[in-house]
Amino acid sequence: ETGVTQTPRHLVMGMTNKKSLKCEQHLGHNAMYWYKQSAKKPLELMFVYSLEERVENNSVPSRFSPECPNSSHLFLHLHTLQPEDSALYLCASSRGTDQPQHFGDGTRLSIL
Amino acid sequence: GEDVEQSLFLSVREGDSSVINCTYTDSSSTYLYWYKQEPGAGLQLLTYIFSNMDMKQDQRLTVLLNKKDKHLSLRIADTQTGDSAIYFCAAGGFKTIFGAGTRLFVKA
Repeated sequence: ETGVTQTPRHLVMGMTNKKSLKCEQHLGHNAMYWYKQSAKKPLELMFVYSLEERVENNSVPSRFSPECPNSSHLFLHLHTLQPEDSALYLCASSRGTDQPQHFGDGTRLSIL
Repeated sequence: GEDVEQSLFLSVREGDSSVINCTYTDSSSTYLYWYKQEPGAGLQLLTYIFSNMDMKQDQRLTVLLNKKDKHLSLRIADTQTGDSAIYFCAAGGFKTIFGAGTRLFVKA
């Protein structure tokens, strides 16, 4: 039990589909993160939320849309993705943005 | 921008000690971390050290921090085949910066 749960674990989608990745943390943390991990760039920070407000958006294409409805849940909405978006998407949470981050096991995304 | 660098590969024999090194550029980093990633899994926080400490020991793991040189190391004593994984160094302030990861191979 990592305390950070991501669903689904695997997702295969076509370029025209719309899907969402879900992340849930049971650690009482106030900050949540989305990372992209691929062979080209080992760990790329995408978005940071602190107290449900987005505090970082690292030049991510608009086909990725995050949502943080409360401090325990984080979503990544996907639409019209490209093959180069195939990667492992990791969610993390921390007590504060300068505190140790705890990761989920990720969603392996494959774009056909 | 800020950066964290580490070597990409390390190969050791089972029972030997492993030392993974890392350098970082952000002198304002509050925490320095070591994460472990096994195949098909996310990053597991192994250990971390506050920037005002120079050493931390936790069972087989020893973390050394040279703040002047901005150098961090992770020593794994009596390395086992189960220690084979990718180890990420990270430096945290407002924003945590991760290194590219060191892949540790343990030969039986």
